[in-house]
Amino acid sequence: NAGVTQTPKFRVLKTGQSMTLLCAQDMNHEYMYWYRQDPGMGLRLIHYSVGEGTTAKGEVPDGYNVSRLKKQNFLLGLESAAPSQTSVYFCASSRYRGLPLETQYFGPGTRLLVL
Amino acid sequence: EDKVVQSPLSLVVHEGDTVTLNCSYEVTNFRSLLWYKQEKKAPTFLFMLTSSGIEKKSGRLSSILDKKELFSILNITATQTGDSAIYLCAVDPIIQGAQKLVFGQGTRLTINP
Repeated sequence: NAGVTQTPKFRVLKTGQSMTLLCAQDMNHEYMYWYRQDPGMGLRLIHYSVGEGTTAKGEVPDGYNVSRLKKQNFLLGLESAAPSQTSVYFCASSRYRGLPLETQYFGPGTRLLVL
Repeated sequence: EDKVVQSPLSLVVHEGDTVTLNCSYEVTNFRSLLWYKQEKKAPTFLFMLTSSGIEKKSGRLSSILDKKELFSILNITATQTGDSAIYLCAVDPIIQGAQKLVFGQGTRLTINP
């Protein structure tokens, strides 16, 4: 049981390049989330998904797209990377929204540097 | 706008000291408040608080919520160097639907031997 995994661990991009970050979970969780973490700002929600085939915007969605074609995978895409997207990206998943209350389980993060 | 504020932002203490980390929040709705510990990588879950006045405890760590005054504290007694980490507070402000957590800035705790 690997939990939540993310690939790649680290990437350097040039401005304007595109890339996709992959998140995978083996816990059969319905909900998945993408966050970014910047110094002094905590984690901010980019996009999330409440199930296979669904996506929705979070707090800071601009410049990112997502897809959830399979329940276990949640992809985050940057179509044209900008230096402002330099950050550490975390994926998380959670089981459901019923009782008992559930927490989110986080992946190890992807460090992205955009030059 | 939902908001979570943590204080202090940074704290340096000696091993064996007791520390108290603070988290205050302003949200339209409230479902739960969560504490996470973040060392080098993924945040790991510590506590979930939903009711006022009920202390959650795990070893040397404990936390309590005050829903009237809209804050929570995380206490760590007899600190060890392994407690050095960023401690994140988050509020789940949505009653139904996805858990769109609102995080504070985090408190960076450093324990010196």
